[in-house]
Amino acid sequence: DTGVSQNPRHKITKRGQNVTFRCDPISEHNRLYWYRQTLGQGPEFLTYFQNEAQLEKSRLLSDRFSAERPKGSFSTLEIQRTEQGDSAMYLCASSLALAGPNEQFFGPGTRLTVL
Amino acid sequence: AQTVTQSQPEMSVQEAETVTLSCTYDTSESDYYLFWYKQPPSRQMILVIRQEAYKQQNATENRFSVNFQKAAKSFSLKISDSQLGDAAMYFCAYRSAWGGSEKLVFGKGTKLTVNP
Repeated sequence: DTGVSQNPRHKITKRGQNVTFRCDPISEHNRLYWYRQTLGQGPEFLTYFQNEAQLEKSRLLSDRFSAERPKGSFSTLEIQRTEQGDSAMYLCASSLALAGPNEQFFGPGTRLTVL
Repeated sequence: AQTVTQSQPEMSVQEAETVTLSCTYDTSESDYYLFWYKQPPSRQMILVIRQEAYKQQNATENRFSVNFQKAAKSFSLKISDSQLGDAAMYFCAYRSAWGGSEKLVFGKGTKLTVNP
């Protein structure tokens, strides 16, 4: 399967702990996106990379959140000092850098539960 | 800031019938893109159909078509000949065509149930 993959699929942690999620995009895609989806809501944009450069960040991405894409391939999203409000599905997507309404291909998500 | 509103939290349709899902959006921009994404239960989101705002012709993809009304800022999705596999959450999304933003702004979604 050459789709977007995310690991782990589920993560349960205690409040105050740090967690890290990984996203592997479709291999030829140079853009990578992170979104957060809470229950009953649509996904909310967090950040996106073109190759290894982080080009856009949402105000939702507080100081406790950091994302990296060190070699322009996979990406990690780290949440420090987790809070119960961080419980959500974290979605990764990737796309080609094309003009126009380029399709973002989504992964299955990582569901985070903060106890 | 742009917003997307889906006023129907849930919809149902009989198999083989037609259903229309509503979406309105708010923007001051003149050029943008609109999308409908489908999220089946416990599966990843996939693109159903997309529309460029400068194109007057409504997009169609097989059984899926849109009714794009730019002046009314409305972008509804019509599903014809509904199938059991169409059951899913459907999200309407907006993306600016300017400023290099790649951010998709999503509505809250409509849960579609298809009854056999």
